[in-house]
Amino acid sequence: QVQLQESGPGLVKPSQTLSLTCSVSGGSLTRGIYYWSWIRQPAGKGLEWIGHISGSGGDSNYNPSLKSRVNISVDASKNTFSLRLTSVTAADTAVYFCARDWAGGNGMDVWGQGAAVMVSS
Amino acid sequence: SYEVTQALSVSVAPGQTARITCGGNNIGDTNVYWFQQRAGQAPILVLYRDSSRPSGIPARFSGSNSGNTATLTISGAQDADEATYYCQVWDRTKWLFGGGTKLTVL
Repeated sequence: QVQLQESGPGLVKPSQTLSLTCSVSGGSLTRGIYYWSWIRQPAGKGLEWIGHISGSGGDSNYNPSLKSRVNISVDASKNTFSLRLTSVTAADTAVYFCARDWAGGNGMDVWGQGAAVMVSS
Repeated sequence: SYEVTQALSVSVAPGQTARITCGGNNIGDTNVYWFQQRAGQAPILVLYRDSSRPSGIPARFSGSNSGNTATLTISGAQDADEATYYCQVWDRTKWLFGGGTKLTVL
């Protein structure tokens, strides 16, 4: 059974880069028709999709509202995928989730528990 | 750009039927996904492609999608169903989430 676990700094200074990694266990990130997504949720607010990447790393899509600041990458050797968000502000403070997304249309069926990130000096 | 809208809150008595809607222009032409998020937890997929249930999701969760409205129906609501429910659609090159509906079972 595939499980996901987010990791990374819980505190990032304004204008710096937020970096998070999602570790995939119980299955290969590169096998199957999956995309791997990042989603965030500010405290008390709804879900916002950030972007996703294919297991091969060859295809990605990003939320247009964040596209200029976001990069998602895959490290097949470590079975992880990562999020980089540049030039962060307080508005980027949120819980960040990673999720598996079936390209075949079966939805985001596996989620990590979430990682809280605060942007503050 | 495309938008999906949800009511902020819905209340239901235990054992009764709750209906949570997701509105969007011709949303019936696309697949809708539904997530349940209990307080302090990660979301859980409860329906995919409008009405299909992932393994482990109780049969009391069902869905429909036609015209401008998709509906998540919870038949025989239980205390454990109290949560915020989000709909989701794929819009060309991005996923969109609705704002979420808080379901209160009282």
